[in-house]
Amino acid sequence: DADVTQTPRNRITKTGKRIMLECSQTKGHDRMYWYRQDPGLGLRLIYYSFDVKDINKGEISDGYSVSRQAQAKFSLSLESAIPNQTALYFCATSGGRGRGGELFFGEGSRLTVL
Amino acid sequence: AQSVTQPDIHITVSEGASLELRCNYSYGATPYLFWYVQSPGQGLQLLLKYFSGDTLVQGIKGFEAEFKRSQSSFNLRKPSVHWSDAAEYFCAVGPDNYGQNFVFGPGTRLSVLP
Repeated sequence: DADVTQTPRNRITKTGKRIMLECSQTKGHDRMYWYRQDPGLGLRLIYYSFDVKDINKGEISDGYSVSRQAQAKFSLSLESAIPNQTALYFCATSGGRGRGGELFFGEGSRLTVL
Repeated sequence: AQSVTQPDIHITVSEGASLELRCNYSYGATPYLFWYVQSPGQGLQLLLKYFSGDTLVQGIKGFEAEFKRSQSSFNLRKPSVHWSDAAEYFCAVGPDNYGQNFVFGPGTRLSVLP
């Protein structure tokens, strides 16, 4: 089983619908992240959390919200989806303190907003 | 702020040929540097990382990278490419102690000709 699991893997929805992407991890890491991948833009950080009580905005948080339900679970929500939120979304974890930790990624959730 | 550039959007090489993927970064201090690979339909997998010490680092799958401070570069190399190396490759600068998170380059897509 994957250490970082994302659900759903693929989702097609309509403009204005609420969507939740879920992420769970078995690595025991405190730090969790949501990234968005668009062709030619690399990965951009949406939100991150260093523990259950710590939630921080990334560079492109507008239109998104998150919930850290437990150390192992971090969900991303689109309250009212719009077509330019069509993208590949990745959850990642890191166990590092300060600068030392690498990122471990889930397999991605492909979202299409019509 | 940190930034990462990957000058080549797409590279095509023949199987068995050597490979070099370029990465340049902008960072005020000694960076933590990473190379990740993303195979089609998969998440990102760490190939190698540089924190300190020997500037030539070895990674998985026969890849290596060299940190050159004078050129602000961290180029990825492989002496003989295999068809299974076709993927997208991302260079990243790791977090610092001042709240900066990982910064990813835009990626280089590698195609391998038989």
